Amino acid sequence: NAGVTQTPKFRVLKTGQSMTLLCAQDMNHEYMYWYRQDPGMGLRLIHYSVGEGTTAKGEVPDGYNVSRLKKQNFLLGLESAAPSQTSVYFCASSTGQGSTDTQYFGPGTRLTVL
Amino acid sequence: QKEVEQDPGPLSVPEGAIVSLNCTYSNSAFQYFMWYRQYSRKGPELLMYTYSSGNKEDGRFTAQVDKSSKYISLFIRDSQPSDSATYLCAMKKYSGGGADGLTFGKGTHLIIQP
Repeated sequence: NAGVTQTPKFRVLKTGQSMTLLCAQDMNHEYMYWYRQDPGMGLRLIHYSVGEGTTAKGEVPDGYNVSRLKKQNFLLGLESAAPSQTSVYFCASSTGQGSTDTQYFGPGTRLTVL
Repeated sequence: QKEVEQDPGPLSVPEGAIVSLNCTYSNSAFQYFMWYRQYSRKGPELLMYTYSSGNKEDGRFTAQVDKSSKYISLFIRDSQPSDSATYLCAMKKYSGGGADGLTFGKGTHLIIQP
């Protein structure tokens, strides 16, 4: 049981390049989330999904797109990377049900945009 | 004013001391409160979850919530060097997952000196 995994662990991009971050979970969770974590800013929600085929915007969605084609996978895309997108990206998942629903986080992807 | 305020530290204490970590919040709609621990270059992991005012104890950790003052705390007894990490408070307005996701504090960097 791997929990939440993220690919890749590190990536360096040049401004204007595109890339996709992959998140996978094996806990059969309905809900999945993408966050970014920046020094002095904490964790901020980018996009989330409440089930296969659904996506919704979070607090900081501009410059990102997401897709949830399969229940276990949640993809985060950067179409034209900018230096402001240099950050550590975390994926999380949860059941989405019950008063004690909690989010489980992946190990993160460290992205640098030059 | 940010919805959730947390002193980033660093907070440095000697091994064996009692540690007190705190967050304040401004939105009375928050009903569910969590503490996450994040080791360097790792994803956050859930430490404590509570949804009522009062204390909740788990081993050396005690979570305290005072909804009237909009103030939450995490106490660590008999602190160990392995407790050195960043501690993030998080809160949400509704049970389950959904549109709000989690609102995080910026995290407090804790150092336990051997």
